[in-house]
Amino acid sequence: GDSVTQMEGPVTLSEEAFLTINCTYTATGYPSLFWYVQYPGEGLQLLLKATKADDKGSNKGFEATYRKETTSFHLEKGSVQVSDSAVYFCALSGRTGNQFYFGTGTSLTVIP
Amino acid sequence: DTEVTQTPKHLVMGMTNKKSLKCEQHMGHRAMYWYKQKAKKPPELMFVYSYEKLSINESVPSRFSPECPNSSLLNLHLHALQPEDSALYLCASSQEGFQETQYFGPGTRLLVL
Repeated sequence: GDSVTQMEGPVTLSEEAFLTINCTYTATGYPSLFWYVQYPGEGLQLLLKATKADDKGSNKGFEATYRKETTSFHLEKGSVQVSDSAVYFCALSGRTGNQFYFGTGTSLTVIP
Repeated sequence: DTEVTQTPKHLVMGMTNKKSLKCEQHMGHRAMYWYKQKAKKPPELMFVYSYEKLSINESVPSRFSPECPNSSLLNLHLHALQPEDSALYLCASSQEGFQETQYFGPGTRLLVL
């Protein structure tokens, strides 16, 4: 069945460091891929998405490229800020209607 | 507007109480969802409504009872909960169909004493 494997955390970075959070997926066909962010005490916010191979989703300095050949959707940001401290979830929506598959989440802490 | 609202924000209830969580969206979405999220874990799907009909129940105990009065509203009725039901309850909505984006509300943080 469909699934998402996400880099284990927690991740601690200094401000202005480069961020990569790895995400790989297993799915039949061509799923849509998402990154959600959850700040402390809040719900999930859509950060970015991509719906077909080679699409690049981007938002707030974050980017992720849908790579079908490596079944990956890694999240990157060139220079993190303290305000980026949150939990990041990779997710997949595939051919099973109305079903989302989440990764385990990666907790990011950015220190000044 | 991609807003999903949930009330209340926080809820404390005893094991004999009856309470309800409410969720509302005005994006014209015809699929709505309830998720349960424990600390430091991904959301776990509980129920899916499609065109106001229950389409998925992930073997949730009967002490949780969902209701979809109309296409904009989703309720979760709670009765005789256990302390292990304490969690963040998230509502989401999406267009109906495959590969659609789900939009989440801020959640209700539930504590069962």
